[in-house]
Amino acid sequence: KAGVTQTPRYLIKTRGQQVTLSCSPISGHRSVSWYQQTPGQGLQFLFEYFSETQRNKGNFPGRFSGRQFSNSRSEMNVSTLELGDSALYLCASSFPGQITDTQYFGPGTRLTVL
Amino acid sequence: AQKVTQAQTEISVVEKEDVTLDCVYETRDTTYYLFWYKQPPSGELVFLIRRNSFDEQNEISGRYSWNFQKSTSSFNFTITASQVVDSAVYFCALSEAWAGTASKLTFGTGTRLQVTL
Repeated sequence: KAGVTQTPRYLIKTRGQQVTLSCSPISGHRSVSWYQQTPGQGLQFLFEYFSETQRNKGNFPGRFSGRQFSNSRSEMNVSTLELGDSALYLCASSFPGQITDTQYFGPGTRLTVL
Repeated sequence: AQKVTQAQTEISVVEKEDVTLDCVYETRDTTYYLFWYKQPPSGELVFLIRRNSFDEQNEISGRYSWNFQKSTSSFNFTITASQVVDSAVYFCALSEAWAGTASKLTFGTGTRLQVTL
């Protein structure tokens, strides 16, 4: 079974631009969560999508948004990029997305904002 | 609020030594799940083990073992006979039942393990 895939793996943007990251969950998984990892703040939960609906949200500004498609693939968008948005963005999937489930992570997208 | 503390920032051991990674957690919930993940230099978080709050039985899986003690809110992880391939950053994480889903993991700051020959 293929694991969680994320594209692109690396991305360089400039301040003020927007970016879209993509995540394909493990086949059959319906929950997709996003995390941001930075040296200063560590790993932080962004949001979770289940059945195309945002089910849980972390403490991030509205510039961070996401969506999920009917095939469970998810995209994350960051608008008006700031230098502090430079981070490794990790996507995780679980089936069916209950407290008893384990989240499996993708390789991440490393975003650099110049 | 939930919190996970990994006091050990970095540990260096020589191959074949045993190493224990410490994890202390805080939660108001009576039902919760604890995890250990490994992050090699490639960046991907690799799931290692999971334990729920109502099962304090400690187990061994290959070279991995864990010690879960609710009385001290600790969930320590031991690698026996460490190998160079074990070099990575190890994260302890907590998921609370009130969150309703498997998501919203709260992570510790990680412990970097360096295994040398």
